[in-house]
Amino acid sequence: GDSVTQMEGPVTLSEEAFLTINCTYTATGYPSLFWYVQYPGEGLQLLLKATKADDKGSNKGFEATYRKETTSFHLEKGSVQVSDSAVYFCALSEWETSGSRLTFGEGTQLTVNP
Amino acid sequence: GAVVSQHPSRVICKSGTSVKIECRSLDFQATTMFWYRQFPKQSLMLMATSNEGSKATYEQGVEKDKFLINHASLTLSTLTVTSAHPEDSSFYICSAYTGARGIGDTQYFGPGTRLTVL
Repeated sequence: GDSVTQMEGPVTLSEEAFLTINCTYTATGYPSLFWYVQYPGEGLQLLLKATKADDKGSNKGFEATYRKETTSFHLEKGSVQVSDSAVYFCALSEWETSGSRLTFGEGTQLTVNP
Repeated sequence: GAVVSQHPSRVICKSGTSVKIECRSLDFQATTMFWYRQFPKQSLMLMATSNEGSKATYEQGVEKDKFLINHASLTLSTLTVTSAHPEDSSFYICSAYTGARGIGDTQYFGPGTRLTVL
């Protein structure tokens, strides 16, 4: 079945540091890929998504590129801020096998210190 | 666009009582809504998938008689935790699916409901 593996956290960075959170997936077909962010005590917010190979999703300075050859969708940001502190979830959906259901990674806690 | 609300945001109840949580899609129609449960520092656990006008599909291990789901309209789904016990205390999150069959359609999430059973 489908699965998503994220780099283990927690990740602690200083403000303005470069961020990478690794995400790899296994799927039988051609999934859509997502990054969601969860701030403390809140639900999930869609951060970015990509629907086919080589697509790049971007939002609020975050980027991720759908790499089919390496089955990866790593999240990057060039300069993090304290306000980026949150939990980040990588996820996929594959209509052909599971309809609109999402398969989530375990989440990566990011803490950015001033 | 694509805003999902949940009500209440936080509820405290006594053991043995029932609690209803509402999930609404405010600016779109959602043919499918999902209910998740999240334990501290963990990922989301899918509880059930709710399609408008039909019975919910529950994940393995989720008690359908305990977690009653109703999807009465294209903008409203409710989760009722019946005879709640302390072990039901958790963060419950709903999501609404925007599209019909297709690539790239997205789930949008509500802000969550913190349930505490005393």
